[in-house]
Amino acid sequence: DSGVTQTPKHLITATGQRVTLRCSPRSGDLSVYWYQQSLDQGLQFLIQYYNGEERAKGNILERFSAQQFPDLHSELNLSSLELGDSALYFCASSPGTPYNSPLHFGNGTRLTVT
Amino acid sequence: GIQVEQSPPDLILQEGANSTLRCNFSDSVNNLQWFHQNPWGQLINLFYIPSGTKQNGRLSATTVATERYSLLYISSSQTTDSGVYFCAPTSNTGKLIFGQGTTLQVKP
Repeated sequence: DSGVTQTPKHLITATGQRVTLRCSPRSGDLSVYWYQQSLDQGLQFLIQYYNGEERAKGNILERFSAQQFPDLHSELNLSSLELGDSALYFCASSPGTPYNSPLHFGNGTRLTVT
Repeated sequence: GIQVEQSPPDLILQEGANSTLRCNFSDSVNNLQWFHQNPWGQLINLFYIPSGTKQNGRLSATTVATERYSLLYISSSQTTDSGVYFCAPTSNTGKLIFGQGTTLQVKP
């Protein structure tokens, strides 16, 4: 068990809908990362937060947004969902930044858009 | 951005065999991590290795940052080693970038 908790484990929704994925980092970790894993794109970095502030941004669509709350948990919001958004969404956490600390991943949320 | 190339893309081993997985990256990096994604989809951090060599049981990793590559050694492979192995260097912009992975199948 990595200590990173993601909910829900599975999510099935229709095109055009909006969903929220939740992540609780390991105790003491200040950084939270979101990654998307699809069959054709591999593991794509979406966004990173450090102690509540956005630190780095990757290939995150404008329809997607995220935030990290004062208690350090994070939420990833996906709106106007399309079939191509079906993927495994991972959250990871680390004590500091990728410059100086290892990342530990949650078990992911599998999103299916029908 | 930084390009990450892993080889081989696929590998089939008989239980007990040894193997070496390679990760090449196109630019200087601040750090590098190796992950194993098991058949259930879980991503496990194997090594945090900016340079030098580290060992953890039957696995070891070596990173030569000046020559822009890292190696993951698996000795006496077991069926539980099956899955996908990813290397992920940290770019100069602080992003952890994943390679496409090496898919390993260990047969009993």
